[in-house]
Amino acid sequence: DAGITQSPRHKVTETGTPVTLRCHQTENHRYMYWYRQDPGHGLRLIHYSYGVKDTDKGEVSDGYSVSRSKTEDFLLTLESATSSQTSVYFCATLQTLIPGQGGEKLFFGSGTQLSVL
Amino acid sequence: GQNIDQPTEMTATEGAIVQINCTYQTSGFNGLFWYQQHAGEAPTFLSYNVLDGLEEKGRFSSFLSRSKGYSYLLLKELQMKDSASYLCAVSGTYKYIFGTGTRLKVLA
Repeated sequence: DAGITQSPRHKVTETGTPVTLRCHQTENHRYMYWYRQDPGHGLRLIHYSYGVKDTDKGEVSDGYSVSRSKTEDFLLTLESATSSQTSVYFCATLQTLIPGQGGEKLFFGSGTQLSVL
Repeated sequence: GQNIDQPTEMTATEGAIVQINCTYQTSGFNGLFWYQQHAGEAPTFLSYNVLDGLEEKGRFSSFLSRSKGYSYLLLKELQMKDSASYLCAVSGTYKYIFGTGTRLKVLA
């Protein structure tokens, strides 16, 4: 499975401050994703990337921006954090389901717990 | 629009069989996935269906009917460690949309 490191693992910040979450992968996967997970809402797609400098919006992109300057790093930025952005954030990469047979699956990092006070 | 529905909670007894249903309406369909997520952990991949029918993998099986927009995950010989949330997800064109998840409690 792909090696994904999310940092930080936990963060507490104040309303109005900028926050950047980092996702680092070691397997050279093209597609990377940012999700947030909240009780009652499940996993919701924020943004995804299909290559260096190529990104697109997901279901809940308002208030978030992303950047991908290198294949291995996908950054999620909250320009001015709000309490509604308190959540668990998961990064994921798209990896081959069965090598040589096609099909793909999402592999998730361990998550970042973000609290905005 | 896109909508994925699954029950919020289910309870079953150790050793029993449980079926978790998922219905979906999406604008694109490339496949249906099931993930398992234990509390405080990341989701982990369980199964993938792209064609109609049943895919079996040990104690877990997943079924898909594309014409009905319906899938289920079948867990046999339930164990206590199967207590977790089970997430149904549909893939479109490189976008993966998840349902809200079904929290399964396995009782001794």
